[in-house]
Amino acid sequence: KQEVTQIPAALSVPEGENLVLNCSFTDSAIYNLQWFRQDPGKGLTSLLLIQSSQREQTSGRLNASLDKSSGRSTLYIAASQPGDSATYLCAVRSGGSYIPTFGRGTSLIVHP
Amino acid sequence: GAVVSQHPSRVICKSGTSVKIECRSLDFQATTMFWYRQFPKQSLMLMATSNEGSKATYEQGVEKDKFLINHASLTLSTLTVTSAHPEDSSFYICSASQGTYNEQFFGPGTRLTVL
Repeated sequence: KQEVTQIPAALSVPEGENLVLNCSFTDSAIYNLQWFRQDPGKGLTSLLLIQSSQREQTSGRLNASLDKSSGRSTLYIAASQPGDSATYLCAVRSGGSYIPTFGRGTSLIVHP
Repeated sequence: GAVVSQHPSRVICKSGTSVKIECRSLDFQATTMFWYRQFPKQSLMLMATSNEGSKATYEQGVEKDKFLINHASLTLSTLTVTSAHPEDSSFYICSASQGTYNEQFFGPGTRLTVL
């Protein structure tokens, strides 16, 4: 059974810092990995989707990497802004399963 | 990206009543819709998967007689919480895809509070 862990659970940083969010998973036979953003009381917004054959994906100030062999993914946020404050969720879809397994998320606060 | 809506966004009801939540794919035909539940500071837990025109497949531990799911069209799925109790209070999120293994697009969620 796939298990997804996100570290840290919470993070508070000053505006402008570059930061890294971590996601680890136990079964490396994955189909894809996806990073989401969730604002309080809201649904999920997809940020980046990395297929199993890819090593990284980039969108604006966001870069997500994937290392299947070590069961890890990182989400790098450059030059953080207060508007980046949200919970970031990592979801892993294992090979042969259509059901994504979600981590508990990292709650990020970027203060001015 | 594809847009998925949910209605209502927030509902408060008395214990014992039934509540219906709608999930709509606005700009694509969703052959498969998923219903998730999220408790505070917890991850999303899949409740059930529904394919258009078929009975929903429920995850282990989810009562199918309590959480009724209907997916009668390619753009609409409904989740009805029957005889709701305070422990059913949660955040319910749906997602839709154009195939079971295709990317899922998530709705904005519905906050259910049962008094």
